[in-house]
Amino acid sequence: AQKITQTQPGMFVQEKEAVTLDCTYDTSDPSYGLFWYKQPSSGEMIFLIYQGSYDQQNATEGRYSLNFQKARKSANLVISASQLGDSAMYFCAMRDVDSGTYKYIFGTGTRLKVLA
Amino acid sequence: NAGVTQTPKFQVLKTGQSMTLQCAQDMNHEYMSWYRQDPGMGLRLIHYSVGAGITDQGEVPNGYNVSRSTTEDFPLRLLSAAPSQTSVYFCASSRDRGLAYEQYFGPGTRLTVT
Repeated sequence: AQKITQTQPGMFVQEKEAVTLDCTYDTSDPSYGLFWYKQPSSGEMIFLIYQGSYDQQNATEGRYSLNFQKARKSANLVISASQLGDSAMYFCAMRDVDSGTYKYIFGTGTRLKVLA
Repeated sequence: NAGVTQTPKFQVLKTGQSMTLQCAQDMNHEYMSWYRQDPGMGLRLIHYSVGAGITDQGEVPNGYNVSRSTTEDFPLRLLSAAPSQTSVYFCASSRDRGLAYEQYFGPGTRLTVT
């Protein structure tokens, strides 16, 4: 069955440092997509980055990169040079075929606090 | 483009009342979903639709109904509200069933059932 696990309920990072948010997934489908979303205190969900299961290279979007280790089924988000505005909830999500439903499933999230 | 819109933003219901949460998107997206977000539980899928006229249940469908008569609209109906349905509800859409397509989310509806 599909599953996304985020084991870090909360993380702290000093401003300007890098931080890694962990995400592991489980699926029996060979084709899937992995996503990270940010949810600031204002509540909206913001798409950050996508990684496909067949992508050879790790995805990057500005200060965000995805450390994709397929054999270990992990898709960790790396935020470089953290900023105060990065303080938010971060969700890892996966989409696979799942018997033709193409549903997205989400992890429980990691709350990141950036310290000045 | 307005993206994904949801109304209302806030709602208080009494136990047993019914109501409809509205969701609309103007991006011609085939795929739409409803989630509820509760503290410590992430986003849980209530119902989803792969196109007009096609809906299916997600992880937590009990107490909720949906319909998709048009591509644009995907309302969520609470049949008889219960305190356990107090939550933040998000509607989301994505282009289609392609695995690479991210979801676009509405601003959410905060529902309290007393």
